[in-house]
Amino acid sequence: ETGVTQTPRHLVMGMTNKKSLKCEQHLGHNAMYWYKQSAKKPLELMFVYNFKEQTENNSVPSRFSPECPNSSHLFLHLHTLQPEDSALYLCASSQVGFSYNEQFFGPGTRLTVL
Amino acid sequence: QQPVQSPQAVILREGEDAVINCSSSKALYSVHWYRQKHGEAPIFLMILLKGGEQKGHDKISASFNEKKQQSSLYLTASQLSYSGTYFCGTSSSGYSTLTFGKGTMLLVSP
Repeated sequence: ETGVTQTPRHLVMGMTNKKSLKCEQHLGHNAMYWYKQSAKKPLELMFVYNFKEQTENNSVPSRFSPECPNSSHLFLHLHTLQPEDSALYLCASSQVGFSYNEQFFGPGTRLTVL
Repeated sequence: QQPVQSPQAVILREGEDAVINCSSSKALYSVHWYRQKHGEAPIFLMILLKGGEQKGHDKISASFNEKKQQSSLYLTASQLSYSGTYFCGTSSSGYSTLTFGKGTMLLVSP
């Protein structure tokens, strides 16, 4: 595997379910990100992890819970979601500490909440 | 505050040129350009750092006007493969996270 991988690619869940999204980066980067992409909206940054430590939480509801066990893996735990949470969830990674911060994105998980 | 992209959508015939703009009300350190095809991950195109730098890759180039806090992406002699949504992401420092615009949808037809 190369780059940034995400599983599952598609997920349908009810509002009472609990599920998790997984992201893995094979680039040796030290920062990982979760983004939400809804129709007709810009990419919305949800969480940032630098060296496994959460450095940003952009006022994301507590029904989304991130976990970063190491610098290569990132999870997004989902519970009691709402239909408006249906979106494409993108994971990205980058190498923080250089003069630029190019991000590499995974293919995303298309989430549908019924 | 998110950058503003214009236009929202562009329709071209193969071989035509296009310009996509990205403006910010904040002082910028860098501007990043990405392209996303439907159902796929955004793909990195290029980064421009403050200093009015201009970069190019094949027939896609970009400029960064630090005074105006604006970047423009130039697509020359467009190809069918250029179709997709183009996003600019801006940062205020080399360590800050990116804030993305809403995107510009580009459709190149034969």
